[in-house]
Amino acid sequence: SYELTQPPSVSVSPGQTARITCSGDALPKKFAYWYQQRSGQAPLLVIYDDNKRPSGIPERFSGSSSGTMATLTISGAQVEDEADYYCYSPDISGDQFVFGTGTKVTVL
Amino acid sequence: EVHLVESGGGLVQPGGSLKLSCAASGFNFSGSAMHWVRQASGKGLEWLGRIRSKDNNDATGYAASVNGRFTISRDDSKNMAYLQMNSLKTEDTAIYFCTSHGYGGNVFLDFWGQGTLVTVSS
Repeated sequence: SYELTQPPSVSVSPGQTARITCSGDALPKKFAYWYQQRSGQAPLLVIYDDNKRPSGIPERFSGSSSGTMATLTISGAQVEDEADYYCYSPDISGDQFVFGTGTKVTVL
Repeated sequence: EVHLVESGGGLVQPGGSLKLSCAASGFNFSGSAMHWVRQASGKGLEWLGRIRSKDNNDATGYAASVNGRFTISRDDSKNMAYLQMNSLKTEDTAIYFCTSHGYGGNVFLDFWGQGTLVTVSS
């Protein structure tokens, strides 16, 4: 079955840039989406269609995709950005979706 | 205001069945695909399956881990989505979310419920 692979953890100091990668074979042809999940809360969409930001999401969140890798960048990370982040994308058929393995972002 | 409210979770024995419900309001439910996602305690998000809109023949798709055991359905007259879970295993213990995402006009919409806890244990 299709898989999306992320690094388990990323750690940055406040104000630094955090980059989270997501690797998947269908990403050249399918959009990537990124979710933020704080402890005990439902996921929150922070990036859709590879690089678009929903209304209300801070500009420091950006996304890109090249080849088989999508990247979520948090420019000038804040303490409140500490959370788990998941990429999400359909498989090549578009019939099944999958979440990435998840990345815990620590800002301290 | 958009609301997705899951219900029907609880304790069930291994091998048993449970049907979860998702009540939707505040958006074009009948025109939207509905997904179910779960999260075991301390683990990542797992996509379970999707039912598309009537315009797309209510087509369903499932993750391999639940295909043949779980069935998603919808009742557009009630703005409800359902997840029927059969042959439950202890590893199905998780919080179950209903969610919907897609374009509404030119705006990308993404909605989640708060989840309902399913515990599979003897």
